[in-house]
Amino acid sequence: DSGVTQTPKHLITATGQRVTLRCSPRSGDLSVYWYQQSLDQGLQFLIQYYNGEERAKGNILERFSAQQFPDLHSELNLSSLELGDSALYFCASSVGQGANQPQHFGDGTRLSIL
Amino acid sequence: AQRVTQPEKLLSVFKGAPVELKCNYSYSGSPELFWYVQYSRQRLQLLLRHISRESIKGFTADLNKGETSFHLKKPFAQEEDSAMYYCALSGNTGFQKLVFGTGTRLLVSP
Repeated sequence: DSGVTQTPKHLITATGQRVTLRCSPRSGDLSVYWYQQSLDQGLQFLIQYYNGEERAKGNILERFSAQQFPDLHSELNLSSLELGDSALYFCASSVGQGANQPQHFGDGTRLSIL
Repeated sequence: AQRVTQPEKLLSVFKGAPVELKCNYSYSGSPELFWYVQYSRQRLQLLLRHISRESIKGFTADLNKGETSFHLKKPFAQEEDSAMYYCALSGNTGFQKLVFGTGTRLLVSP
């Protein structure tokens, strides 16, 4: 499957901890986007990388950071976790760097903070 | 600021009935609008975009700049159309972010 893959599918941890979510983009895609979906909320854009460089930033907390590696996979790091960080985190990828391009989504990582 | 409003959380119709999923947007520039869909146990995927002006699975959406709307329509709903539908907006240049609405769940009953 050459689609967007996200690991892990589920993550359960405690407040104050740090986690890393991983995303491999679709083959040939250079852009990776991260989104957060909380209960009853739409997808909130967090950050975009294109070919290893940060391209756009949304309402991403300072406790969160991301990077895109030379092989184009991306990681989203969430630290000092709070109960409110419990959400579904989606990764998407696209060929180019404009947000007006169709984005291909992964299955998401469900993060639960206890 | 970019904003997308989908006023209905749930839209329930019978098979064969017309469907209209509402989407209104707020954006000062020239927008690009999309509809994404998520079927049960599947990934979020692009359904259609306004610049393509195409019909996908019988759905169409017309960008109305005067009313700042991009409603999704289908004349005759099918049970397999049951899904979560998200309207999304971006600018048409550079690195504008994609802004999603909160989604509307469409339930088509037999």
